[in-house]
Amino acid sequence: AQSVTQPDIHITVSEGASLELRCNYSYGATPYLFWYVQSPGQGLQLLLKYFSGDTLVQGIKGFEAEFKRSQSSFNLRKPSVHWSDAAEYFCAVGGNNDMRFGAGTRLTVKP
Amino acid sequence: DGGITQSPKYLFRKEGQNVTLSCEQNLNHDAMYWYRQDPGQGLRLIYYSQIVNDFQKGDIAEGYSVSREKKESFPLTVTSAQKNPTAFYLCASMVGKSGNTIYFGEGSWLTVV
Repeated sequence: AQSVTQPDIHITVSEGASLELRCNYSYGATPYLFWYVQSPGQGLQLLLKYFSGDTLVQGIKGFEAEFKRSQSSFNLRKPSVHWSDAAEYFCAVGGNNDMRFGAGTRLTVKP
Repeated sequence: DGGITQSPKYLFRKEGQNVTLSCEQNLNHDAMYWYRQDPGQGLRLIYYSQIVNDFQKGDIAEGYSVSREKKESFPLTVTSAQKNPTAFYLCASMVGKSGNTIYFGEGSWLTVV
């Protein structure tokens, strides 16, 4: 069965600094990979997704992620973090029947 | 506007009572899902349905039940058998049966008092 690991529970970065959130997955075939963002008490919003093709995918709000098959990773990056990026971020892997989410990484942005 | 509507947003339940959370989508999506989210934790799959009149258990189905009588509706009942029902519940849907983007509702907070 597919699974997702987000090793960092909580990350704090300064506004303007770069960001990388880690995601590792386990899946027997080529996975469908997603990053979602959640503000407190709200649903999840899709940031970006990878299905096939170019391994570097661009998303909304200036985010990008790179699929690395050899490392089973799909890390999320942003070159310059804004205070409004503070939220919970979830990596997910989809297969034939359902989708599995990681435990999430909470991002705090310092002024 | 197209989207996924969950109701109620906040719900209080006494111990021993069943409660039903509503989820309606007008996106014409085939698949629908229910997830549970506990504070500081990720999403755990309760049930999912890929077609009308059919659904499958997820990882934590015990104490929950669902129905899928219509394509646009996928209500979740939290029964008295669920030992720790206080949580944030998220409904989601997806076009097709697999491999596409999942879209989420705004969630429902259930508190057992």
